[in-house]
Amino acid sequence: GESVGLHLPTLSVQEGDNSIINCAYSNSASDYFIWYKQESGKGPQFIIDIRSNMDKRQGQRVTVLLNKTVKHLSLQIAATQPGDSAVYFCAENREGSYIPTFGRGTSLIVHP
Amino acid sequence: DSGVTQTPKHLITATGQRVTLRCSPRSGDLSVYWYQQSLDQGLQFLIQYYNGEERAKGNILERFSAQQFPDLHSELNLSSLELGDSALYFCASSVAGAHGANVLTFGAGSRLTVL
Repeated sequence: GESVGLHLPTLSVQEGDNSIINCAYSNSASDYFIWYKQESGKGPQFIIDIRSNMDKRQGQRVTVLLNKTVKHLSLQIAATQPGDSAVYFCAENREGSYIPTFGRGTSLIVHP
Repeated sequence: DSGVTQTPKHLITATGQRVTLRCSPRSGDLSVYWYQQSLDQGLQFLIQYYNGEERAKGNILERFSAQQFPDLHSELNLSSLELGDSALYFCASSVAGAHGANVLTFGAGSRLTVL
């Protein structure tokens, strides 16, 4: 498939390791956050979301942590698999807006 | 398959030309969003339509326009194309149009190359 080819920070991990992808946001009025995964040749795909009244939410093998004090969001992927290799975007809905604003993205490379 | 269909997948054209990108939203979704993904700018919101009406505008150039038809499919028209318009154009859809906790479903994108 085609590559987006973005100039992105890259995280390389070994299969089976845990991965942590970080995202800083700038708008303290943002009240809803979403992580998307974009595989080569595909559009972004929803992974997990969290509202600003929470600081942690867990899904299947993924956990999102929200630290509103320092405006930081992280995505933790447990037991990372080669199929997790993709570009990961955090997106925020600023207060009063329902249009997600996307961050720059992080490229995750999982080595077998 | 996300349920959002975009055509064409690839398009190569020359500067000054005009192209139309097409999007069919996921069944049941009333909102359509257009995003541009380029090397320098990441994913940039262009415009949103809800049930046929323009609902929100982002960083969309005046040379670009869009519409949503009664059957809810949408078209993004790009005119007087410049080299810098080369990018991936994504369409996304959602059920709602004006509420928080809005999860978008994206299509596979249309890659536009302007030579």
